Amino acid sequence: GESVGLHLPTLSVQEGDNSIINCAYSNSASDYFIWYKQESGKGPQFIIDIRSNMDKRQGQRVTVLLNKTVKHLSLQIAATQPGDSAVYFCAENIGGYNKLIFGAGTRLAVHP
Amino acid sequence: DAGVIQSPRHEVTEMGQEVTLRCKPISGHDYLFWYRQTMMRGLELLIYFNNNVPIDDSGMPEDRFSAKMPNASFSTLKIQPSEPRDSAVYFCASSSHRANYEQYFGPGTRLTVT
Repeated sequence: GESVGLHLPTLSVQEGDNSIINCAYSNSASDYFIWYKQESGKGPQFIIDIRSNMDKRQGQRVTVLLNKTVKHLSLQIAATQPGDSAVYFCAENIGGYNKLIFGAGTRLAVHP
Repeated sequence: DAGVIQSPRHEVTEMGQEVTLRCKPISGHDYLFWYRQTMMRGLELLIYFNNNVPIDDSGMPEDRFSAKMPNASFSTLKIQPSEPRDSAVYFCASSSHRANYEQYFGPGTRLTVT
């Protein structure tokens, strides 16, 4: 498996700090959003999702915030760890839960 | 469960040759997706199936690309003839309506067309 995106925007954080990754989505009609994590050499992996009738959803060490007014999505990772280093993609659904449009991605680099 | 299985993991071929990528979805999943990932265009949905039937192929670039799903446990993506601009990583993913439609991705096939 592989990952691509050598020229992605990069967020560099210190281990233990909180990380915030942002995403702007395009379609005001989208009603379902997902964050994916892609580690080097692997396919994207589901992290957390949120429906448009919610503003916030929490998982284990992760929180997703949705601002429909400005079409903005963010992923917060608490106490970032080296294992969190990866490329993170937001995705919005268009036309049902299955047709996803992926954002360009952000590379998260965690430094000890 | 072994997860989504894709083969081959790497494929190098010459322009004009036929390329066939293979995917075995997670058992019990009723949706299967083919994506292409490149630096320039990111991750794009090519086509998806529901219960082995193609539902949306609007992402398929052109007639050189075709996908089939002869049964619930196998799908192919074929490129004939291949061109250098087809070089990319191709992912297969599957999901189930019983599991909130969460898509599980395979490890991908890196295709290089010279």
